[in-house]
Amino acid sequence: QQQVKQSPQSLIVQKGGISIINCAYENTAFDYFPWYQQFPGKGPALLIAIRPDVSEKKEGRFTISFNKSAKQFSLHIMDSQPGDSATYFCAASIDSNYQLIWGAGTKLIIKP
Amino acid sequence: DSGVTQTPKHLITATGQRVTLRCSPRSGDLSVYWYQQSLDQGLQFLIHYYNGEERAKGNILERFSAQQFPDLHSELNLSSLELGDSALYFCASSVGGAVGYGYTFGSGTRLTVV
Repeated sequence: QQQVKQSPQSLIVQKGGISIINCAYENTAFDYFPWYQQFPGKGPALLIAIRPDVSEKKEGRFTISFNKSAKQFSLHIMDSQPGDSATYFCAASIDSNYQLIWGAGTKLIIKP
Repeated sequence: DSGVTQTPKHLITATGQRVTLRCSPRSGDLSVYWYQQSLDQGLQFLIHYYNGEERAKGNILERFSAQQFPDLHSELNLSSLELGDSALYFCASSVGGAVGYGYTFGSGTRLTVV
């Protein structure tokens, strides 16, 4: 119930392509869904987040799509660039629970 | 610079030893979270402090302990170290006690146990 399942584990995309990472959850009480980006040797950094009252949120080339009925959310990276090569983590939480439940991460490689 | 400061950046120690990792949160942040990340692994939540009080515990071993001091910095103590404790240890902070404000992570302490 508390798990967040993330796929794929790794992803290789050509420069200029669209990168798509998916996450699924079971707990319908989750109400906050962030994505974090982590470069090697660095801490994760908040990329974009969504709440279940909207189905999509876009920030630059990064878009979260949220499907409440399917209990799934995904990160789309448009026009993927080599600088986007990183590990991406999805997460979910209940605000009052003070704790993020993390996906296992996706290692994204953008080929030039 | 994220504003969350972790020291030291690297630590090499022998099995059976004890180490202390330090974290200074962003100015104004009251919450500190500790995470462990083993090689190519995900983030394992260890413990959360809010304004000096323990708020939540995750998969933290009994050999590990933490505290948050009145100036809001936090220390993670790891004792009787084993080879398997080698990992990146991250601290994150947030302004409130709830995660909806987003976490800010430090750059981590890389612990190597030999």
